[in-house]
This record gives sequence, structure tokens and C-alpha cells, in this order.
Amino acid sequence: DVKVTQSSRYLVKRTGEKVFLECVQDMDHENMFWYRQDPGLGLRLIYFSYDVKMKEKGDIPEGYSVSREKKERFSLILESASTNQTSMYLCASNTGSTNEKLFFGSGTQLSVL
Amino acid sequence: EDQVTQSPEALRLQEGESSSLNCSYTVSGLRGLFWYRQDPGKGPEFLFTLYSAGEEKEKERLKATLTKKESFLHITAPKPEDSATYLCAVQPYTGGFKTIFGAGTRLFVKA
Repeated sequence: DVKVTQSSRYLVKRTGEKVFLECVQDMDHENMFWYRQDPGLGLRLIYFSYDVKMKEKGDIPEGYSVSREKKERFSLILESASTNQTSMYLCASNTGSTNEKLFFGSGTQLSVL
Repeated sequence: EDQVTQSPEALRLQEGESSSLNCSYTVSGLRGLFWYRQDPGKGPEFLFTLYSAGEEKEKERLKATLTKKESFLHITAPKPEDSATYLCAVQPYTGGFKTIFGAGTRLFVKA
């Protein structure tokens, strides 16, 4: 089975801190994604990557950046955390094909105080 | 604008009481429609992919159907373990690898 592992289950940070969320997948998938999930809004795409060192903005990239130095690892960076970035963050991956389902990690609940 | 709307927001059923969840979508062209199940504190898990109007897929007590404007997730004789949030998502032809999600329907099944 595909495994997508997110490094932290819960995180509490202060406003202004730089925050790193890490995600690792073990199935040699080409694509990796970062979503945030908020009640009533569903999952919204922040960034995705279709290859090492390649990235594309999703629907809500402001205040975030990403890094993909190795195929299996995709990092989400909050340059200066703000309270409106308190959310559940979900990492996902799939192969390079279209019509392909997403495999999700268990999520990181981030609270910014 | 590509959009996915799910209804109802929440649904409470008695064990054995069959019902349906709705997913309405607007896309420039549909590459695929997906259903996922999400348990509290976990990431979504894939259930079904549907590609064209008229298609149906089944898994245990769940059946997903697709028309040109909406999809239904039918739950037959649900059990308490079916309680979860069900997410609908679409992949439009435009937008590359993007998948657009609805807000989900929270299902509660009481024994």
C-alpha cells in the first residue's frame, strides 16, 4: 500500500515564526500536493509539484512556499506564520497520470497563536 | 469557474435507513469525478472514480452514479461504521493535475 507520511500530527506555533511541514511518500510518485482543509470550505490546493525542483501555485499560495529537493519529499513552508493560517494541512501524492486518485497523509493540525 | 457543491452538509440516519448524498459540479470539461471517505483526524481515503455520464460503481453498501451535472452516493442499509465525512472531487480537463473538492457531507449513522 502507498504510504504518505506527514512528520507532525499537531503543531502549535507563534505568529511570525517560520514553520516547516514535511511530507514523505514511499511509492515513487511523480506528483505531490499540499492542501489545507477548513470547516465549510473543503480542501483547497496551496501548491503542487510534478517533478523534483518543479512546483506550481494552487488556488491559495499566498504566505506559503514549497521545496522538493528529492522525489519522495515535499515540504511546505510558512515564511511568517499568521493566525489565519491555523488549519488542517494535508499532503497527497499520485502518479504522473491524469484521472489518478490521490493518496493522502493523516494531516497536520497547525495552530498559530 | 470550476466548482463542486455537496448537499446536505450533514445527514443523520438510523442504522438500516438508506439515503443518498448529492454532488453537483460545474466544470469546463470533466476528466474524472472522485468520491473519498474521511474519518475524524485522518486524511481522505479513495472510494470511487467515475468518468462519464451513466457510469455506476459499487462497493459494499455504497453505490456512486454520475450524470452530466451531478453525482450521487447511495448508501444502502447503513451501519454505524459508515459514519464519516464523504468528499466529492472533480478533475477538469483544464488545470493540469488539479483536483477540486467539495466541502463534504458529514454522515452520522445511529445504531
